[in-house]
Amino acid sequence: SQQGEEDPQALSIQEGENATMNCSYKTSINNLQWYRQNSGRGLVHLILIRSNEREKHSGRLRVTLDTSKKSSSLLITASRAADTASYFCATTRMDSSYKLIFGSGTRLLVRP
Amino acid sequence: ETGVTQSPTHLIKTRGQQVTLRCSSQSGHNTVSWYQQALGQGPQFIFQYYREEENGRGNFPPRFSGLQFPNYSSELNVNALELDDSALYLCASSLDLTSGNTGELFFGEGSRLTVL
Repeated sequence: SQQGEEDPQALSIQEGENATMNCSYKTSINNLQWYRQNSGRGLVHLILIRSNEREKHSGRLRVTLDTSKKSSSLLITASRAADTASYFCATTRMDSSYKLIFGSGTRLLVRP
Repeated sequence: ETGVTQSPTHLIKTRGQQVTLRCSSQSGHNTVSWYQQALGQGPQFIFQYYREEENGRGNFPPRFSGLQFPNYSSELNVNALELDDSALYLCASSLDLTSGNTGELFFGEGSRLTVL
């Protein structure tokens, strides 16, 4: 079963705009990660935020985590056409840290 | 590129057949996990192997089985294929949690299985 749900399911923006994707999850977590997937290919790790962290930055990416609301957001600033992909949040639970539980993903289209 | 390689990249099988998918982990990684990704869905955890033993399993029937070899490469075997087994099968490697693993997984490009 999916632990996380991303919102929106699909997002279309113009190049240069910011893209915000949200993720909600159900149980207590060790950490939350965001992955990117280009059209049916492998997933690429973007960023990891631990349960005791509230915000993290990496280049044009900003991730926030609100454990009280069981939610996270991924912000991509100054988007580029090359950012077009599906983005997934994934969590590890405290009682089963060996596996990632993925959400259903947000499909991002950045129009040139 | 992550250094995780999977083979074959695409294959077509018929219902009832058996399939073996292969994965070579990134150099230095001792843990391999397998995920199934149906079209339009997020990946679902199948199982993980560490030191040649199954270290955890998701909600998949016993006809999904695996192996890990001393060089940390791995196989996923699926018996008695069903139409719903059609999916992208992803292998991911990592270090075990006691060896400095931050939790990040390194994925291969996947094997796309079509069951007719």
